[in-house]
Amino acid sequence: AQSVAQPEDQVNVAEGNPLTVKCTYSVSGNPYLFWYVQYPNRGLQFLLKYITGDNLVKGSYGFEAEFNKSQTSFHLKKPSALVSDSALYFCAVSSSGGYQKVTFGTGTKLQVIP
Amino acid sequence: KAGVTQTPRYLIKTRGQQVTLSCSPISGHRSVSWYQQTPGQGLQFLFEYFSETQRNKGNFPGRFSGRQFSNSRSEMNVSTLELGDSALYLCASSKGLAGVGTSTDTQYFGPGTRLTVL
Repeated sequence: AQSVAQPEDQVNVAEGNPLTVKCTYSVSGNPYLFWYVQYPNRGLQFLLKYITGDNLVKGSYGFEAEFNKSQTSFHLKKPSALVSDSALYFCAVSSSGGYQKVTFGTGTKLQVIP
Repeated sequence: KAGVTQTPRYLIKTRGQQVTLSCSPISGHRSVSWYQQTPGQGLQFLFEYFSETQRNKGNFPGRFSGRQFSNSRSEMNVSTLELGDSALYLCASSKGLAGVGTSTDTQYFGPGTRLTVL
């Protein structure tokens, strides 16, 4: 069975500092990896995804994520955090084999402190 | 362009009843996926439809079913409602299959339907 782990329930970072939200995964076959963001009282928004190719994926709002096959990780990063980045972030995985269903992590709340 | 729309936005039902939720995808999108979000279980995949066929399915009981019409609009039905079915139900659309597609294909989410079972 495939799974996603987001080890931190909450991440606090000062505005202007770099941020990292961690994600590790377990899947059979080649992984497809995703990051989504959910702002308070708003729906889920797609940020970026890794299908194949370059290990560094650039997405919306200045976010990027690095695929590391040996560490089975797909950490979300941003060089300089904004207060408006405060939200709930979800990592998700599917695979090239089987049903290709999408499995989500439990989410990480990012708090950017002014 | 118009986004993903879900109706109704809020629903209150009692145990044992059934409910149907609707999702209209972005024009040109052929895939519709459904998710359940609860505080305890987080975000869970229900199923995905592509060109009127269920392509992927999560681990939910048979009480949860869906369908997709030729115009790509999708409905989700929950029969014999239980208290634990109270949740935010989200749908998302994309051009291709949500779990695959190309690196530039994006999955767009609707605002959700908040279902409360009393």
